Order: sequence, then C-alpha cells, then structure tokens
Amino acid sequence: DTGVSQNPRHKITKRGQNVTFRCDPISEHNRLYWYRQTLGQGPEFLTYFQNEAQLEKSRLLSDRFSAERPKGSFSTLEIQRTEQGDSAMYLCASSEIAGVYQETQYFGPGTRLLVL
Amino acid sequence: GQQLNQSPQSMFIQEGEDVSMNCTSSSIFNTWLWYKQDPGEGPVLLIALYKAGELTSNGRLTAQFGITRKDSFLNISASIPSDVGIYFCAGQRGTSGTYKYIFGTGTRLKVLA
Repeated sequence: DTGVSQNPRHKITKRGQNVTFRCDPISEHNRLYWYRQTLGQGPEFLTYFQNEAQLEKSRLLSDRFSAERPKGSFSTLEIQRTEQGDSAMYLCASSEIAGVYQETQYFGPGTRLLVL
Repeated sequence: GQQLNQSPQSMFIQEGEDVSMNCTSSSIFNTWLWYKQDPGEGPVLLIALYKAGELTSNGRLTAQFGITRKDSFLNISASIPSDVGIYFCAGQRGTSGTYKYIFGTGTRLKVLA
C-alpha cells in the first residue's frame, strides 16, 4: 500500500497524559499537513511542513501541541497534558505538487483520540 | 477555525437521481478539491480543480471551478447507494506564503434504494 498511513488508528487516554501520533506520507511528497476533525465538522488545519520545515501553524495549535518532521519523511504530532476537548480525529495528509497552483492532497485514515 | 460555506448541509435522494452541491467563499482560491468521507475514515479525493472555469469529470462525478474563483460545484449523476457519505470541498489560496487548505462544512448524502 503506497498511501498515507497513520498510527495508531485509535487512542484512548486519561486526561493529563501525553500522546504521540505518527504519519507516514506518500513517498516523494514534500508537503505534509495535520488536521483536526470533530464530529459533524470538516477538517480544520493545524500545521504543515515543506520537507522538514514547519511553515505554518494554526492558532488552534496551542502550546500543548507540537509537530515535527525530522529528515522530511514521517511526521509526529504530540499532545501534552491532554484535555477532554482534545478528543477528535487527527488527520494527516501529504501533497503532490505538479506545478504552480497544482497541488493535490491525499489523506490518511486518521487517528481517533478519546480523552477520558 | 475558518470553514467554507457548503450547501446543502444534507440531502436524502432516491437512487438514480442526480445530486448537486456547492461551496462558496468570500476569498479567492487557486485550487479546489472535492472529497468523500465515510464514517471513521479519512477523506478520499474525488476531483481536483486548478483553473477558473475548469470542468472535470470522474465517472459519474463532475465538478466545476467557479469563474469568480470564489465557488465550486459538484454534481453526481444517477446516484447509487454507495454514494452515501459526507462530501467536503477544500480550497487553497496558494499565495502570500500560505498553502493551507480550508474545508467546507460538508454535505451529508443519503441515498434511498
């Protein structure tokens, strides 16, 4: 399978614990995005990387959230001191850039987080 | 967070009917993408649009990039039960150093056999 993969698919944690999610993009895609999706809503942008550089972060990304993409390949999203409001689906996507204004984004299956 | 206006929010249709949905923005976008999402899964790309006025088809699906660059439309012809799901539009400006995508609020489609 050469699509975007995410691990774990599901995570249940207690409030106050730290959690880390991993995303493996489609190989050779140099842009990688993280989104959060709550029930009944569309995905909301959190941050994106071009290669290993984190170029844009949403105001939704509080200081408890951190994302990395060492070596420009896989990426991790860590949430420290989780709160019940962090419960959501966390989606990763990677992009193929065919030209100016020609970027096509593909999503992974998501990691569903439940904070008790 | 910011989301695009997508309508209708939901629709129930009979199998075999055509479906139309649209997405509007107050801002100009240079790329429009349409996705379908099933429960518990990530969105799956249906159609990508890159030029104003562009009309692109993928099987029974046809999407258009609005001429004003502030809207996009998706049509599904001869719907079948497996078309059920949530359809999202996503727009990207791709200028001024921002490449993030902004998503619509979704259109929930239910097809009655």
